[in-house]
Parts: sequence; C-alpha cells; structure tokens
Amino acid sequence: DGGITQSPKYLFRKEGQNVTLSCEQNLNHDAMYWYRQDPGQGLRLIYYSQIVNDFQKGDIAEGYSVSREKKESFPLTVTSAQKNPTAFYLCASSMSAGQLGETQYFGPGTRLLVL
Amino acid sequence: GQQVMQIPQYQHVQEGEDFTTYCNSSTTLSNIQWYKQRPGGHPVFLIQLVKSGEVKKQKRLTFQFGEAKKNSSLHITATQTTDVGTYFCAGPEGGATNKLIFGTGTLLAVQP
Repeated sequence: DGGITQSPKYLFRKEGQNVTLSCEQNLNHDAMYWYRQDPGQGLRLIYYSQIVNDFQKGDIAEGYSVSREKKESFPLTVTSAQKNPTAFYLCASSMSAGQLGETQYFGPGTRLLVL
Repeated sequence: GQQVMQIPQYQHVQEGEDFTTYCNSSTTLSNIQWYKQRPGGHPVFLIQLVKSGEVKKQKRLTFQFGEAKKNSSLHITATQTTDVGTYFCAGPEGGATNKLIFGTGTLLAVQP
C-alpha cells in the first residue's frame, strides 16, 4: 500500500522541549515538503527538499530543522526556539526534483499541542 | 512576492444549491491545481489545469483556468453534504523549483 505516513497523529510537548515529527513515503518521490496549518488558515511552507542530502528553507523556517538522509524519510524537528508551535503539521511529496508545480501528495498530518 | 488569493473565505449553502470559489494569482501560472481538505483531514489533489481557457469536469465539479492564466474557478452543481471541506487552489512558484503557492482556501459548509 503506497503513500505517505506521518507519526504520531497527536503530539504533546512541554515548553522548552524539542520534538521530532516523522514523515515517510514509499512512492519513490524525489521531493518532500513540510507545511504548517493553523486553524482556519492555509498552508505555509516550512522546509522542502528536492533531493537526498539537500533541503531549503520555506517561508517560516525559523525554529524548525530538517534532515534528508534517505529518499523516503524527511523528519521535522520543532525546536524550543519556535515560540508558537501549536499547529497541524503536514508532510507532502512530489515525484520529481525541479519540475515546475508538480502535484503534491499529503500525509495524514500530526497535530502538535504545547502544554 | 507571489500571492494566490481565494474568495470567498467561507460559504454556507443549503444542500442542492450551487457553489463557486474563485482563485486569483498575482502572476501568470504555468498550471493551476485544486485540492480538497475535509474537516480534520489532509489536502487531497483534485485536478490540474494547464492550458489557457481550459475547462474540466469531474461529475458535479467544473474547473476553469482563465485565458490569462492568472485566475481559476471551481463550481459545484447541486451541492451534497459530502462536498463539505476547504478547497484550495495552488500554482507553481516562479523559478526552477517545484514549490507550490497555495491559495487562502474557501471553506464550504453544506446544510442538509
């Protein structure tokens, strides 16, 4: 069964803690993305990666970090420097690197709540 | 920077009524995509339009790409409760990347 998986579905974080959100895909896609969605809002790009071992900042990268050591995995770390991390985090992938505006396939998302 | 706006932000209709959402880009787009996000869910790709003036239909949904390739619309005929959700348009960001700029979204509520 091909697709994108994200874990956990819900995550609670204490203030000052770093947490890592998992994103795995078995679609053999080159490009992967992380978005943040706040209630009633659109999607804002945090980081994206067009190829293994390479990634670029999106519009709201401050307080976040990523790695892309394997093609199928693109974990996102929410650091203590992110002042308002409570949000819905969505991971997505698309087939090819450098192709303009390819269709993106989304995972089910992780809801992060800071206590 | 490049912006993609949608109107309305929210629409409430009675089941059976029609619905339209409009998408406007500040720049010309090579293609426009539409996604649907059900409440509590994740965005799901619906369709992609590439040609100027293109019209595509999926059952009760009609998608249109403007002649200038800067705007698009999604029209739903005879809405059903299963149409509830937020509809996003998205277009490629300029330059040699595969980043998409997502619109602000339109939330559709359908009353039975």
